[in-house]
Amino acid sequence: EADIYQTPRYLVIGTGKKITLECSQTMGHDKMYWYQQDPGMELHLIHYSYGVNSTEKGDLSSESTVSRIRTEHFPLTLESARPSHTSQYLCASRFGTASALGANVLTFGAGSRLTVL
Amino acid sequence: AQKVTQAQTEISVVEKEDVTLDCVYETRDTTYYLFWYKQPPSGELVFLIRRNSFDEQNEISGRYSWNFQKSTSSFNFTITASQVVDSAVYFCALSETTSGTYKYIFGTGTRLKVLA
Repeated sequence: EADIYQTPRYLVIGTGKKITLECSQTMGHDKMYWYQQDPGMELHLIHYSYGVNSTEKGDLSSESTVSRIRTEHFPLTLESARPSHTSQYLCASRFGTASALGANVLTFGAGSRLTVL
Repeated sequence: AQKVTQAQTEISVVEKEDVTLDCVYETRDTTYYLFWYKQPPSGELVFLIRRNSFDEQNEISGRYSWNFQKSTSSFNFTITASQVVDSAVYFCALSETTSGTYKYIFGTGTRLKVLA
């Protein structure tokens, strides 16, 4: 059973709509990440968070925004969707320090596949 | 600069063949972690193995084995007697510990197709 949940799994939406991709984890992980995966498979980090009220932009510039008001919840929002936003979005989380056994293993959600027409 | 290279974009094998997926990494850190993840057609990334930079011992888990060689900065993954269920995209990843950024660098993935 998944410990990190993403909804919706699939979304087809028209240009200009506002969308929010939900990500929740039940593991108490403090660090959370959003990756965008293009059709060529490559994963691009677009946002990450070290804890509540902490968010940072990733390596790939993205028009999306994120928030981290609760430890378990890390939603991603697109204010005005465009066809270029069509992609798979993967949420992941992990515990803090890298030294603890398994602590720095990323756990991924099942992904949200977004299609903007 | 940190980098992970998976030179094989796609590999096709016939069932029961052995296959090795290559991973070469670059890092300036002396302490780091390497990972392999599997992404089946359903889309989620599934963790397979973690190896820290101080542990060069090879590992075997069933039909899976991993060969970590610091001298060549490689962390290769071998599937023995491949099965159709092994068909997936496999990602190698690097995580450094001293930068404090807790970021992960993923390779571009290798798509493995196992044909019946």
